[in-house]
Amino acid sequence: KQEVTQIPAALSVPEGENLVLNCSFTDSAIYNLQWFRQDPGKGLTSLLLIQSSQREQTSGRLNASLDKSSGRSTLYIAASQPGDSATYLCAVEVDNDMRFGAGTRLTVKP
Amino acid sequence: DAGVTQSPTHLIKTRGQQVTLRCSPKSGHDTVSWYQQALGQGPQFIFQYYEEEERQRGNFPDRFSGHQFPNYSSELNVNALLLGDSALYLCASSSDLRAETQYFGPGTRLLVL
Repeated sequence: KQEVTQIPAALSVPEGENLVLNCSFTDSAIYNLQWFRQDPGKGLTSLLLIQSSQREQTSGRLNASLDKSSGRSTLYIAASQPGDSATYLCAVEVDNDMRFGAGTRLTVKP
Repeated sequence: DAGVTQSPTHLIKTRGQQVTLRCSPKSGHDTVSWYQQALGQGPQFIFQYYEEEERQRGNFPDRFSGHQFPNYSSELNVNALLLGDSALYLCASSSDLRAETQYFGPGTRLLVL
């Protein structure tokens, strides 16, 4: 059974820092991996989608990498801003079923 | 384009009651998936509808059922509500789950008392 784990569960950093969020999954047979952002009480916003054949994706200050063989993905956020404060979720897709981690709650302090 | 919409936004029910949640997919999308997100946890996949049929189902009891209409909108029904059904229910739509990002709606927050 596919299990998705995110470390750390919570992270607090001062504005301007670069940071890395980690995601691990137990079964490498995935179709893709996505990183989402969720603001309190809101739905999910997709940040980056990495297909299983890809190694990384970039969007603005965000960069996500995927290493299927080791079952790991990282989300790198450069020059963090208070507006980046949210919960970040990673999810892997297997057979029309998306499995999510519990998320990392990020706080960026001004 | 209104994106994915869900109704109602909030709902309060009592144990044993039944509830129906609704979702309209993003324009051009034909696939709808439902997720349950308990407080402090990641979303859990309930089921997915495509061409008015349930295509895939997660580990949820038969009390959870759904429907997709010809216009691709969808309903999630939960019977015999339990306290543990209290959660944020998210709907996501896509045109090809494996090639595109899923677009999520804002969710319906259900509280069972």
